[in-house]
Amino acid sequence: DIVMTQGALPNPVPSGESVSITCRSSKSLLYSDGKTYLNWYLQRPGQSPQLLIYWMSTRASGVSDRFSGSGSGTDFTLKISGVEAEDVGVYYCQQGLEFPYTFGAGTKLELK
Amino acid sequence: QVQLKESGPGLVKPSETLSLTCTVSGFSLTSYHVSWVRQPPGKGLEWMGVIWGDGSTAYNSALKSRLSISRDTSKSQVFLKMSSLKTEDTATYYCARADTWGYWGQGVMVTVSS
Repeated sequence: DIVMTQGALPNPVPSGESVSITCRSSKSLLYSDGKTYLNWYLQRPGQSPQLLIYWMSTRASGVSDRFSGSGSGTDFTLKISGVEAEDVGVYYCQQGLEFPYTFGAGTKLELK
Repeated sequence: QVQLKESGPGLVKPSETLSLTCTVSGFSLTSYHVSWVRQPPGKGLEWMGVIWGDGSTAYNSALKSRLSISRDTSKSQVFLKMSSLKTEDTATYYCARADTWGYWGQGVMVTVSS
């Protein structure tokens, strides 16, 4: 199975600050079609996961442009520019390259 | 408008079989695949399996011996059945449209307890 390893944030984070969440996969997620099958989600307290980024850097419909995704085949970053109260929750990365699809353990964002 | 909604019993006894239904609207099950994902209380997400538009399935090997996913396209419903339940299967169970993972249900909490 592909292992997804996420980094931690130096919580709590002051409102308005920019933060980066890291994720590393144990295998390259770059497929032969040129796409990198890495998704990012935000799960707010008591809610379902919400897709933020797919194919490593494509923002999902309706997602604020404060969120951006980047990376290589195995190392990925989700950047949040100017953290706001609505960004509080747990962020997950997920690989969609091969079965079983696997998630990172999650990175919690708390606001100061 | 795409929607998914899970339903099922909130409490199941150990060793029994769990049956959940995911009712979808706004898209056809013959055109999009649907996955099941679960989340134990306070823990992370685990992909369980998927049913493709052609009706074929794939499962997480960790659950494969106990898990079955099927569907009724006429009712726009996807079913999950998991046998030999253990207390560790206590979780919120989600269904999601797995093309771009942009649509998830609200989840259904299932407690396995005697």
